[in-house]
Amino acid sequence: EIVLTQSPATLSLSPGERATLSCRASQSVSSYLVWYQQKPGQAPRLLIYDASTRATGIPARFRGSGSGTDFTLTISSLEPEDFAVYYCQQRSTWPITFGQGTRLEIK
Amino acid sequence: QVQLQESGPGLVKPSETLSLTCTVSGGSINSSDFYWGWIRQPPGKGLEWIGYIHYSGSAYYNPSLKSRVTISVDTSKSQFSLNLSSVTAADTAVYYCARDFGTSRMDHWGQGTLVTVSS
Repeated sequence: EIVLTQSPATLSLSPGERATLSCRASQSVSSYLVWYQQKPGQAPRLLIYDASTRATGIPARFRGSGSGTDFTLTISSLEPEDFAVYYCQQRSTWPITFGQGTRLEIK
Repeated sequence: QVQLQESGPGLVKPSETLSLTCTVSGGSINSSDFYWGWIRQPPGKGLEWIGYIHYSGSAYYNPSLKSRVTISVDTSKSQFSLNLSSVTAADTAVYYCARDFGTSRMDHWGQGTLVTVSS
């Protein structure tokens, strides 16, 4: 099973700042890496797939990058609605696994 | 717009079987492009993939749950279902159903349903 480790566990930033979230895989997942956003009481929302492709309707301030074992989700300028928990997910090998999440909170 | 809706009991007794159904609307469950999956999230914790099924009946499960899980599909009702046997308190979670697009991403999710395992 591929283990995904997200860092940091919690990120405290202010609106307008840049957020950088990391996801590291225990072995290569090529570009089969997905990012989701989850707000309290809601289902996860697809943000990025294939490591860098934005899903339909996702603003351009969300950018995914990386390949192999190291991946980054960058939010260029935080909006109030971006404060949430972010999960990475690998699609390279069964079973599909998720990272433990990064909580992005308002500073 | 595709919508998914989970339904089923919110309370299950220990050792019994948890059964949930996901109803798909606004799109076809019969498409070869999609798998239909289940994911769960214990309160305050992260996400765990349970498994998914293709409309043809091909199913894949998380090995950690494989001995207790069955996912089935009823294309005539645009539904797919989850059965999880011999439940314990550790199975208490919000259970989500989701559409899995070409095995590359989960692009539509249900709102989730909380299932509590307790006597």
